Parts: sequence; C-alpha cells; structure tokens
Amino acid sequence: DQQVKQNSPSLSVQEGRISILNCDYTNSMFDYFLWYKKYPAEGPTFLISISSIKDKNEDGRFTVFLNKSAKHLSLHIVPSQPGDSAVYFCAARPFYNQGGKLIFGQGTELSVKP
Amino acid sequence: DTAVSQTPKYLVTQMGNDKSIKCEQNLGHDTMYWYKQDSKKFLKIMFSYNNKELIINETVPNRFSPKSPDKAHLNLHINSLELGDSAVYFCASSPEAGGATPEETQYFGPGTRLLVL
Repeated sequence: DQQVKQNSPSLSVQEGRISILNCDYTNSMFDYFLWYKKYPAEGPTFLISISSIKDKNEDGRFTVFLNKSAKHLSLHIVPSQPGDSAVYFCAARPFYNQGGKLIFGQGTELSVKP
Repeated sequence: DTAVSQTPKYLVTQMGNDKSIKCEQNLGHDTMYWYKQDSKKFLKIMFSYNNKELIINETVPNRFSPKSPDKAHLNLHINSLELGDSAVYFCASSPEAGGATPEETQYFGPGTRLLVL
C-alpha cells in the first residue's frame, strides 16, 4: 500500500537544462508535501515543501508544483547543475499528523551531466 | 560537529543475533525518529519519540525496541535478527514533531547499513 510513488528510478539531464522529477500519491489526506535530496553515504536533507492549499512554491532554482486533482507533484530544477546529482525523495505528511510521520516515495536518481 | 550521528555505519551479522544501533543528535531537538529503507528503496518510519516519550510506533515486529535514555539519544535494539531485517536504518531528529513546517524539519543521520547473513 505505497501511498507515495516515484515511478522514474532515474533521470539524466544536461547541465543548464531543466530537471523535472515527478511524484504521485494515492491518498487525499495529506496536508504537506516535501522533497528531500540525498547524496551517497549521507542521510536525506530537506529541500523544499508545499502546503496542500497551494499549487506552487519556489525557492531559488527549485520549484515544486502541486496538482491536487491529479494527485501529482513535481520538482523543477532550473538550471540544473552537476552538484544537483543526487537521489530525490518526495514525501507527504498525513493531515492527522501522527507526531511527524512522513510517507516517502522510493526516490529518483538525478544525474546532471556537464 | 555532526548534527545527527549513527554508530555503527556498517553492521554485518548472523541470523539470530541481537544487535543495537545508536543515534545521537547535538541539535537540541525534542523529537527523534527511526526510519528503515528497504530493498525497494522506500523510506518507512518505524518509531518517533518526543521528549523521550514514544509517539509513533508503526507496524514493526516487537523484535525491534527503541530506547531513548535522554532527548539527545535514540537507540534501536533488534533481537533475533532475520534476513529480512537487512536494510539501511536512518535516524532523524526535528525541533518539534510534525515534519512539515520549518520548525518541524527532520534532519537525518548518515544511515546504518545492516546486512544479516
């Protein structure tokens, strides 16, 4: 019963171009969505989040879009840089908020080529 | 000055053994978590503690027992290890329980790679 899914295990993009990472969810009971970034041999680090009452949140080169009717969110990175190469996890928080429970997807590995 | 640290980083052990993974955070956070990243790469929450009190206990075999001696530490003890316990275990902490707002951002440790033979 995976409620958050990232169906693309990997993505390769040229430096300077846009990277678009996708995430789908099946449950309407989420109030926040988040993206985490993970380098090898390190733990995930928080990148950006969006409340379910919004459809867009921007932070520098990173923008998250939320399409509630499609139960879909995406992370746009513009322009992509080699240092962005990492695994990106999307996560969702149930609105009943059981003490910080986050439900994660399985990650998409982004490779940005110079 | 590592924020969230875990020991050991790697753990290889035999089926049936008992092992512990330690986690420490020096961020002064009130809430700590254990996650398991399984073979399909999903990160799944196992436990959450707030001020040393258990607040999340997901469907985890009772062979797994978390222990929080103080707010800065959350250890995970696993009895009678099984092959299926092989995974990467991540500890995390946050100022407050919640996981969404800036005050609730979860900070993760580097993970402990457990291999049960």
